[in-house]
Amino acid sequence: ELHLEQSGTEVKKPGESLKISCQGSGPRHNFNSYYIAWVRQVPEAGLEWMGIIYPGDSDTRYSPSFQGHVLISADRFAYTAYLQLNNLQASDTGIYYCARMGKSPTNVNYGLDVWGQGTTVIVS
Amino acid sequence: DIVMTQSPDSLAVSLGEKATIHCESSQSVFKRSENKNYLAWYQKKPGQTPRLLIYWATTRESGVPDRFSGSGSGTDFSLTITNLRAEDVAVYYCQQHHSLPWAFGQGTRVEIK
Repeated sequence: ELHLEQSGTEVKKPGESLKISCQGSGPRHNFNSYYIAWVRQVPEAGLEWMGIIYPGDSDTRYSPSFQGHVLISADRFAYTAYLQLNNLQASDTGIYYCARMGKSPTNVNYGLDVWGQGTTVIVS
Repeated sequence: DIVMTQSPDSLAVSLGEKATIHCESSQSVFKRSENKNYLAWYQKKPGQTPRLLIYWATTRESGVPDRFSGSGSGTDFSLTITNLRAEDVAVYYCQQHHSLPWAFGQGTRVEIK
């Protein structure tokens, strides 16, 4: 069973950058064989899908809303995905989650079934 | 891009009653090759991580109580909570993963009347 552990709270100033990590662990977790998504929740707003990465080959896709502002990467040997946010603004304040896109035994994606605990980012 | 629209934005339901949330996609999320709707529902409580409730529009995730059910196909979907309990107070989101970007609906807040 996969467990996703994210890095801790970040407090940054406008214009700065940061990098959040999401490490997979657990027996037979197979982290590299699932898409890992990044999802943001800003205060008083809903969930926003930012992008995904397949750690096995680092295939990465972005939401147009975040393209150019974020960089998603992965280290398959460390079973870790990363989210880098550049030129931070106050509007980037929120909670950032990584989550695994689950798939059936026949490799059909079904939903974000395992979530990290979330990383709080404060830009002020 | 597929846009997901939920209705209502919020609803208040008495304990033991039924809550129904609607989700409409701007394009079909039915994957013909797999004969599945690529539509999931999540529950988000304050201070907790989102929880997958329903996938493929109608399949309940393991451990989810059977008072939660999903229906619909193509572009119109619903999440129904029967016999509403206090612990069901949350914001509920639909999400499509048929086409990139995998968008969420704006969320529906469920409260106790």
